[in-house]
Formats: sequence, structure tokens, C-alpha cells
Amino acid sequence: ETGVTQTPRHLVMGMTNKKSLKCEQHLGHNAMYWYKQSAKKPLELMFVYSLEERVENNSVPSRFSPECPNSSHLFLHLHTLQPEDSALYLCASSQDPSLAGGPGWNEQFFGPGTRLTVL
Amino acid sequence: KQEVTQIPAALSVPEGENLVLNCSFTDSAIYNLQWFRQDPGKGLTSLLLIQSSQREQTSGRLNASLDKSSGRSTLYIAASQPGDSATYLCAASGYSTLTFGKGTMLLVSP
Repeated sequence: ETGVTQTPRHLVMGMTNKKSLKCEQHLGHNAMYWYKQSAKKPLELMFVYSLEERVENNSVPSRFSPECPNSSHLFLHLHTLQPEDSALYLCASSQDPSLAGGPGWNEQFFGPGTRLTVL
Repeated sequence: KQEVTQIPAALSVPEGENLVLNCSFTDSAIYNLQWFRQDPGKGLTSLLLIQSSQREQTSGRLNASLDKSSGRSTLYIAASQPGDSATYLCAASGYSTLTFGKGTMLLVSP
């Protein structure tokens, strides 16, 4: 595997289900991100994990819960979602240069995304 | 709060034309400006990254410029081809955030 991979690629779930999205990066990076892409809206940053710190968009509902067990793996746990949460969820990674700047300093590489449908 | 605007929202051109996609951002305190390509239903492919201290970057038929003081970036595509058809996104990078525009949907017809 190369680059950034995401599983599953497609997911259909009911509002009472619990599921998880998985992301893995094979680039040796130390920062990982979750983005949400809804129809006719710009990509929206949900969470950033960099050097073991987490930065989150305060507008993200608590029914989305990220987990980053190490620098190569990132999960997004989903529970009691709403139909408006249906979207393409994209994972990305980059190299945080630390003292030279934050995780936004370098190029971000994206995975293929998980298309989520909430019924 | 950073806001990124892309103009036009959609563009349809015949093959072979040179074209310019525009991106503007409201906060000039950026680390870099990135251009991406997205095919329908797919993830993003990075095209070019311009650091805040740079003026332009080139890759093949693509050239991106950055004028940080005026909050503008342009992506120039030379000799467009049908394979260039996709949505092009620009994103302004801050310390831990990447703020995206809504994109320009490009269709290049044979």
C-alpha cells in the first residue's frame, strides 16, 4: 500500500448504528486530518492530530469521535448520526516540521475518501 | 476567520485553450497556498503548493502564482486536454488549518 488509504470506501448506516472509519498513511508523516465534504459546500476540516496533540473544529458535533493511536493510523467513530451527516469523509496527512511551523506548513496528501450515507 | 473564494464556479472550454482559474483569500497570514484536483466521487490530488515566501510554482502545463498582499492566487493551465476535466480546489493553509474554496468545475471538450 502506498500513500493514504481509507476503509471502507462506501458505508450505509442507520441513525442508531455505531460504525468507524479507518485511515492509514504510508508516507511517514506525523500529522493526520479528517475532512467532511458535503454537496455544494467547501471541504470542512473536522480534526487534526499532530505530534500527539489534537485540534478540533468546535462546530463538529459530539456524535463524531476521532482516535489516533499512532502517527500512521486515524479513526473516526460514528454514533447516532443524522441524515445531514451523509457526505464524503476524507483523511489526509502531512509532515509537521514542529519548530519550523505547525502541521499546515507542508503539503497535505489525501486518501480516496469514504462515501457515507445515513438513512 | 479565513474565507476562500474561487471564480468561476464552472468553466467549459474546447481542447487546446489556455485557461486561468482564480482563487482569493481574506487573511493574508497564510503558510502556503495549495491547488488540488478532484475527480467525481474521488479524493484530492495535490497539484502545486506555493509557500508564502514564493511567487509561483510550475509543474508541466500547470503554473500557479501567489500574490499574498492582495490575497490572490491563479492557476494557469496551458493547452488544455479532455483529461484535465475535473474540479480544481484551492486551499489556504494556516498553522493547523487548511481552508478550501468551493472549487471550479472544469470541462474540456474534444
